[in-house]
Amino acid sequence: NAGVTQTPKFQVLKTGQSMTLQCAQDMNHNSMYWYRQDPGMGLRLIYYSASEGTTDKGEVPNGYNVSRLNKREFSLRLESAAPSQTSVYFCASSQGTSGSIYEQYFGPGTRLTVT
Amino acid sequence: QKEVEQNSGPLSVPEGAIASLNCTYSDRGSQSFFWYRQYSGKSPELIMFIYSNGDKEDGRFTAQLNKASQYVSLLIRDSQPSDSATYLCAVAARRGSARQLTFGSGTQLTVLP
Repeated sequence: NAGVTQTPKFQVLKTGQSMTLQCAQDMNHNSMYWYRQDPGMGLRLIYYSASEGTTDKGEVPNGYNVSRLNKREFSLRLESAAPSQTSVYFCASSQGTSGSIYEQYFGPGTRLTVT
Repeated sequence: QKEVEQNSGPLSVPEGAIASLNCTYSDRGSQSFFWYRQYSGKSPELIMFIYSNGDKEDGRFTAQLNKASQYVSLLIRDSQPSDSATYLCAVAARRGSARQLTFGSGTQLTVLP
């Protein structure tokens, strides 16, 4: 099992460009999450998907959109990149909707720089 | 007040010592608590979770939970240089349609050889 995979690993964008970060999991998890991590700020939730076909905003959704393509895949799109979106982006997944299972498992991250 | 607070450190301990990492949280309704380890440049890795008051041991790691005082701690016994990393405390709650984790900003631990 690969767990949670993310592409690309690194990306440099110019202000105003757009891009999509891809995430896939092979653990048959119901819920998927996108976080950003900035120095001294910890992990902040951007968007999440409780189950296939649903998406909801997290703590810092402005400037982002998401698509839950199927149970395995959850993508994050930056429509018009800004320097404030320079960050490390992590995708995570969890069993999700049943019982008390909250553990989340993280992908390797995408390091994005916007100039 | 932040929802989940940790001392940012850095915390330095000598090899073989006990490292003690602390975390406090504000939501009294929180039910589940997690410790993640994050090496520099890598993604967070789940190392412990605890749901009930008291201690939970897993190898050299012990998680301690005190819901009345709203704190959770992680003890690392016989600390090794390979334990040097940032440790993230996370608290779970159901918000909206999914169970979500709120993370502290992490404590940087250095184990000195």
